[in-house]
Amino acid sequence: DIQMTQSPSSLSAFVGDRVTITCRASQGIRNDLGWYQQKPGKAPKRLIYDTSSLQSGVPSRFSGSGSGTEFTLTISSLQPEDFATYYCLQYNDYPLTFGGGTKVEIK
Amino acid sequence: EVQLLESGGGLVQPGGSLRLSCAVSGFSFRNYGMSWVRQAPGKGLEWVSSISDSGSVTYYADSVRGRFTISRDNSKNTLYLQMNSLRAEDTAVYYCARGAQSTYGPDTWGQGTLVPVSS
Repeated sequence: DIQMTQSPSSLSAFVGDRVTITCRASQGIRNDLGWYQQKPGKAPKRLIYDTSSLQSGVPSRFSGSGSGTEFTLTISSLQPEDFATYYCLQYNDYPLTFGGGTKVEIK
Repeated sequence: EVQLLESGGGLVQPGGSLRLSCAVSGFSFRNYGMSWVRQAPGKGLEWVSSISDSGSVTYYADSVRGRFTISRDNSKNTLYLQMNSLRAEDTAVYYCARGAQSTYGPDTWGQGTLVPVSS
């Protein structure tokens, strides 16, 4: 199985900060990676697919990069509505596997 | 508008069974692979199972293989998850999601249905 190691597990940031979250795969997954945002009590929402493709309707302050085994989600200027938990997901092979999540909190 | 609506959750005793349903609308169901993902209370997301668009190919997490069965009825635009031999560790919110491996992963999710397994 492909393991996804996500870091950090939590972070505190100010509105307007640039935030970076990383996922590392235990083996190469090409570009088969997505990023999801989840707010408390709500279903996850996909932000990014194919490593760097922005889901329709998602603000351009969200971006993704990477390839192979190391991937990054960047929020260029954190907004109040961005405080949430973020997950990466590899879909290169079954079983699909998620990272452990990163909780983004207000500083 | 794409919509997925899960139903069938509820309290079940260890060893019991439950069938979840996911009724979809707003897209051509028969053209999409589908998935179930769960989230235990206070924990992260865990992929459970996926099924191909035709229903002919299925995939399962090791934690549920042999106990859970995913299926679909393309004439009713509905996805199912039959859960047998339930355990306390199966307690979670279960989400139905459009998409699977071949479609860049799940893109749209239902609101989820809670399945507590407890005596």
